[in-house]
Amino acid sequence: DAKTTQPPSMDCAEGRAANLPCNHSTISGNEYVYWYRQIHSQGPQYIIHGLKNNETNEMASLIITEDRKSSTLILPHATLRDTAVYYCIVRARGSARQLTFGSGTQLTVLP
Amino acid sequence: DTAVSQTPKYLVTQMGNDKSIKCEQNLGHDTMYWYKQDSKKFLKIMFSYNNKELIINETVPNRFSPKSPDKAHLNLHINSLELGDSAVYFCASSQESLVVLREQYFGPGTRLTVT
Repeated sequence: DAKTTQPPSMDCAEGRAANLPCNHSTISGNEYVYWYRQIHSQGPQYIIHGLKNNETNEMASLIITEDRKSSTLILPHATLRDTAVYYCIVRARGSARQLTFGSGTQLTVLP
Repeated sequence: DTAVSQTPKYLVTQMGNDKSIKCEQNLGHDTMYWYKQDSKKFLKIMFSYNNKELIINETVPNRFSPKSPDKAHLNLHINSLELGDSAVYFCASSQESLVVLREQYFGPGTRLTVT
């Protein structure tokens, strides 16, 4: 699976959009981009995933660049409960089933 | 309606002891996992079971032995505990196929402290 690069930390004001970038310049054509988050002391939680089209669900939006070398997770109206470590993971269909976590981005939502 | 549950939540024990952590999922998934999160917060896969069969066994000491009595349960038994085994252990499950990638659901974790 391709490697990802994320900033170690970011701050966001409550109520504002949080935009979390992820670089995956070595991504291959059959690899999906997944986002998980881990709120302090809890198990990781799935957020969203996509292949090449932008995706949106009740939690977030995922914007993938046309060349697929990077993506951005958008939390449209961040709340204090969104403070967590966010992991961007690239994974191919048919690959090993486990998730390979990097160091992620610590997002702190400020009141 | 807990999807993935683990027991116990906290486990404090002495070096050399043998302990088990239990995991159960009520999602009907066919694949279960054990991950370890160390003190530096790195999450790493340990084992994966699909339909009660071991499919992934990363470089984990033989002291760790997973057991899957049925599709809904994946227990982790640890022999001769060492200080370095102190970590948070997460169980997860998913419904995998070669056609569609599915998200994984994680349990709340078991914090193991070896003294």
